[in-house]
Amino acid sequence: DIQMTQSPSSLSASVGDRVTITCRASQGISNYLAWFQQKPGKAPKSLIYGASVLQSGVPSRFSGSGSGTDFTLTISSLQPEDFATYYCQQYITYPRAFGQGTKVDVK
Amino acid sequence: EVQLLESGGGLVQPGGSLRLSCAASGFTFSSNAMSWVRQAPGKGLEWVSTISGSGVSTYYADSVRGRFTISRDNSKNTLYLQMSSLRAEDTATYYCAKARYGDYGDFDYWGQGTLVTVSS
Repeated sequence: DIQMTQSPSSLSASVGDRVTITCRASQGISNYLAWFQQKPGKAPKSLIYGASVLQSGVPSRFSGSGSGTDFTLTISSLQPEDFATYYCQQYITYPRAFGQGTKVDVK
Repeated sequence: EVQLLESGGGLVQPGGSLRLSCAASGFTFSSNAMSWVRQAPGKGLEWVSTISGSGVSTYYADSVRGRFTISRDNSKNTLYLQMSSLRAEDTATYYCAKARYGDYGDFDYWGQGTLVTVSS
């Protein structure tokens, strides 16, 4: 089974900061990598798929990169509505696997 | 507009059974694989099960295989999760999610979730 490892598990940041979250797969997954955002009490929301393709309606300050085993999610200028938990997920094979999540909170 | 609406959650005793439903609208239901993903209180996301658009292929996490059964009724645009032999560790919010591309792809839409509590 493929394991997904995110880092850091949490980070504190200020509005306007550039934020980077990394996700590593235990074996190569090409670009079959998605990122989700989840706010407390809400369902996850699709941000990025195919490692770098922005979901329709997602602000352009979000970007994704990587291929193979190493991936990053970048928020170029953190906005108040971006404080949330972020998850990566591989979808190249079953069982599907999520990273453990990265919580972005206020510094 | 795609909408997914889960129902059927509640309190159940250990060893008991429960059936969750997910009513879908806004897309051609039979064309897309559907999945269940759960989240224990204060924990991360855990993929549970996926069923192909036709219903022929099913996939399960090891943690639920043999106890949970995923199914769908394409005539009713509804996804199901039959859960049996429930354990305390099955306590979670259960989300249904739609595959982006037919039987493949990530999850582009999620329901709002339904809470299952396994406790005596």
